[in-house]
Amino acid sequence: EDQVTQSPEALRLQEGESSSLNCSYTVSGLRGLFWYRQDPGKGPEFLFTLYSAGEEKEKERLKATLTKKESFLHITAPKPEDSATYLCAVQAGSNFGNEKLTFGTGTRLTIIP
Amino acid sequence: GAVVSQHPSWVICKSGTSVKIECRSLDFQATTMFWYRQFPKQSLMLMATSNEGSKATYEQGVEKDKFLINHASLTLSTLTVTSAHPEDSSFYICSAPQGMRGYTFGSGTRLTVV
Repeated sequence: EDQVTQSPEALRLQEGESSSLNCSYTVSGLRGLFWYRQDPGKGPEFLFTLYSAGEEKEKERLKATLTKKESFLHITAPKPEDSATYLCAVQAGSNFGNEKLTFGTGTRLTIIP
Repeated sequence: GAVVSQHPSWVICKSGTSVKIECRSLDFQATTMFWYRQFPKQSLMLMATSNEGSKATYEQGVEKDKFLINHASLTLSTLTVTSAHPEDSSFYICSAPQGMRGYTFGSGTRLTVV
């Protein structure tokens, strides 16, 4: 059974204080690892897809990296508007694109001005 | 980009009544739609997968007679919560596969059963 574990559960940072969020996964036949941002009362918003170990992707203050066992979401000099829950999800299977995602429980990030 | 429109955004209903939630793909055809449920401070749990023109596939522990899913066309999937009870109160979200971008999610429906 696919498993995704995110840590920490919650993280409070001062504005400008860089940090990393962790996503550990156990899956048979990883097809893709996804990062989403979710604001309260809204659906998840796509951030990144990573496919293979060693891959990195960046978007503004966020950078996602992937190894064979885990992924990190690095946030550099965060701003209050970066406050949200960050979700990690994995996709496995042979029918790429139509297989379900298995989500972690998320990291609630709060950036204090 | 691809958009999934989900309605209503919130609904309050009396115990024992039924509620229908709609998800429409606005600028693409969604042959598959995933339905998730999310309790406060918890992650998304897949309930079922709907496929246009065929029966939905339900995850273990999800009552198919209680959560009726209909994928009537390539742009519309619906979830009906029948005989709702307070324990069904939750945040329901639909999502459609988008290839390498993962999945596009609806904005969610907050259901409160009183």
